[in-house]
Amino acid sequence: DTGVSQDPRHKITKRGQNVTFRCDPISEHNRLYWYRQTLGQGPEFLTYFQNEAQLEKSRLLSDRFSAERPKGSFSTLEIQRTEQGDSAMYLCASSSGRRTSTDTQYFGPGTRLTVL
Amino acid sequence: GNSVTQMEGPVTLSEEAFLTINCTYTATGYPSLFWYVQYPGEGLQLLLKATKADDKGSNKGFEATYRKETTSFHLEKGSVQVSDSAVYFCALSPAKGSGAGSYQLTFGKGTKLSVIP
Repeated sequence: DTGVSQDPRHKITKRGQNVTFRCDPISEHNRLYWYRQTLGQGPEFLTYFQNEAQLEKSRLLSDRFSAERPKGSFSTLEIQRTEQGDSAMYLCASSSGRRTSTDTQYFGPGTRLTVL
Repeated sequence: GNSVTQMEGPVTLSEEAFLTINCTYTATGYPSLFWYVQYPGEGLQLLLKATKADDKGSNKGFEATYRKETTSFHLEKGSVQVSDSAVYFCALSPAKGSGAGSYQLTFGKGTKLSVIP
């Protein structure tokens, strides 16, 4: 168990460019989550996958954002036509999905996006 | 909707001082409650959790008790160390079966703790 990994750790881009982030969950974890964290705030939920199915999306996820988890393993989060307001830390988490009383989410180190 | 309110930081304490970080929540039913910690330059780590009323979560000398009557989950440690310097986040996960959003974590804004020797 190597934990949740994210790539890249840092991304600097110019406004209007597209960016893509990758998340590799803990192996055999069925659920995968994306959150966004801005400076001085707690993480905010963006979207959630159960295996390859995207089951929930926050209203924060505008149509410029798209997330996929094609084979139920790793996931990608793409932002098209980036805006300065997209600058944030993007966090990925995974959980086992077992039917226990609590399905604890484990977080990756995050990808810090800076839009110039 | 669900919400979590934490005490404003930053909090600065001397080594071996007693720590309390207040956390209250708003949610229907019996959510699960968590404390996560974010050390400088690192990702969020689960510190402790509690899943039902009167449960006490504990880890690394930290404790928090799920108080349904006061909708609180305050974090405490009897004697802090310099290595405890970090940002602490209180979070909740909605009660199972509460419908859409049942798997979303709702976080507080975080409390930055600095411990000085």
